Amino acid sequence: AQKITQTQPGMFVQEKEAVTLDCTYDTSDPSYGLFWYKQPSSGEMIFLIYQGSYDQQNATEGRYSLNFQKARKSANLVISASQLGDSAMYFCAMREGGNNRLAFGKGNQVVVIP
Amino acid sequence: DARVTQTPRHKVTEMGQEVTMRCQPILGHNTVFWYRQTMMQGLELLAYFRNRAPLDDSGMPKDRFSAEMPDATLATLKIQPSEPRDSAVYFCASGFPQRGSVDNEQFFGPGTRLTVL
Repeated sequence: AQKITQTQPGMFVQEKEAVTLDCTYDTSDPSYGLFWYKQPSSGEMIFLIYQGSYDQQNATEGRYSLNFQKARKSANLVISASQLGDSAMYFCAMREGGNNRLAFGKGNQVVVIP
Repeated sequence: DARVTQTPRHKVTEMGQEVTMRCQPILGHNTVFWYRQTMMQGLELLAYFRNRAPLDDSGMPKDRFSAEMPDATLATLKIQPSEPRDSAVYFCASGFPQRGSVDNEQFFGPGTRLTVL
């Protein structure tokens, strides 16, 4: 069964606008962590933000924030004030408690246009 | 600036040849992961090691793939014999997860782009 689901088609975003990338997950483990990675065209995987299942507040890192809705099992990434350098694939991933494996979604493609 | 390094960055080979990919994890990290990325399957975990011992290699085709950590500074992924379906980007990642903690990120290397003709 798919642990992480990212189903949005490729997105075009106007520079300086905000964009939300959807991610839903499936787990029965009460302890888990959710991660977002960015993969630009150069290919490297860049860690962006982390949310723990027990965290009371939504995670934020600069222009990145995570809209964590535990009951809905969703962990959407919000990028505020998009920049041209934000054009990339974005992957949502989950690690379940006691397990080092990261399960990745299929990714969301974002293209920022001037 | 500590980084995971991988060599080679690109490899083109013919079917049937042996391929060896190398990874140097970040110094001090005790867990190393090998992932494969393809358009069809996305990112898949092949294997991972902790303190140089293989913990999980269930994602790896056993008949042709092998992963080792000869020492703490080197991880290798070998394919013998290689097949066209092995064409993918292979990422190595390292981390230092705390027991019982889920919050430790994995640092990825730049990947090895493998093409098997």
